[in-house]
Amino acid sequence: AQKVTQAQTEISVVEKEDVTLDCVYETRDTTYYLFWYKQPPSGELVFLIRRNSFDEQNEISGRYSWNFQKSTSSFNFTITASQVVDSAVYFCALSEARGFGNEKLTFGTGTRLTIIP
Amino acid sequence: DTAVSQTPKYLVTQMGNDKSIKCEQNLGHDTMYWYKQDSKKFLKIMFSYNNKELIINETVPNRFSPKSPDKAHLNLHINSLELGDSAVYFCASRTSLQETQYFGPGTRLLVL
Repeated sequence: AQKVTQAQTEISVVEKEDVTLDCVYETRDTTYYLFWYKQPPSGELVFLIRRNSFDEQNEISGRYSWNFQKSTSSFNFTITASQVVDSAVYFCALSEARGFGNEKLTFGTGTRLTIIP
Repeated sequence: DTAVSQTPKYLVTQMGNDKSIKCEQNLGHDTMYWYKQDSKKFLKIMFSYNNKELIINETVPNRFSPKSPDKAHLNLHINSLELGDSAVYFCASRTSLQETQYFGPGTRLLVL
């Protein structure tokens, strides 16, 4: 069975500080996919990034960066120079490769990030 | 030009009523899902459909019945609503060719 753990329930930082959101996953599969989604106060779920298990390259997109380490089963998310608009609940999720609708997203419990102006 | 849309956005109803939530995607995807987000923000899959065929049914009470009239639509009908059904219900879709699921805006259901 797959499992995603986000140990940080809530984080508050002052604007312009850097912040890292932790994600640890468990799976028995060798092929799987990791995701981060953002849920702002308005409630929608916004896709941020997908990573497959064969690609451990770190990724940077503007102020966002992701660090994927298979050795520690972690997929951490860093926001650099945080802004108030980054305030949201962030979910890490895992999907095992099954095909034809058999793959499901298993979500972590989310980390509520508050950026203090 | 909304990608995944849901109606209604809000639904307030009495216990025991029957209600439906509709989902439509214009992305040309062939796989659609229903997820439930409870009051603690925990997200859990309920159903998946691939090309109108039910694939995943994640031990959901049979008061919940999904229906997919075509690949672009996945509706959720709930009979005999209970207080515990209060939640946000999200529809999502993806193509079989890649793994990312795109979510609708959610339907906030409140059962009184």
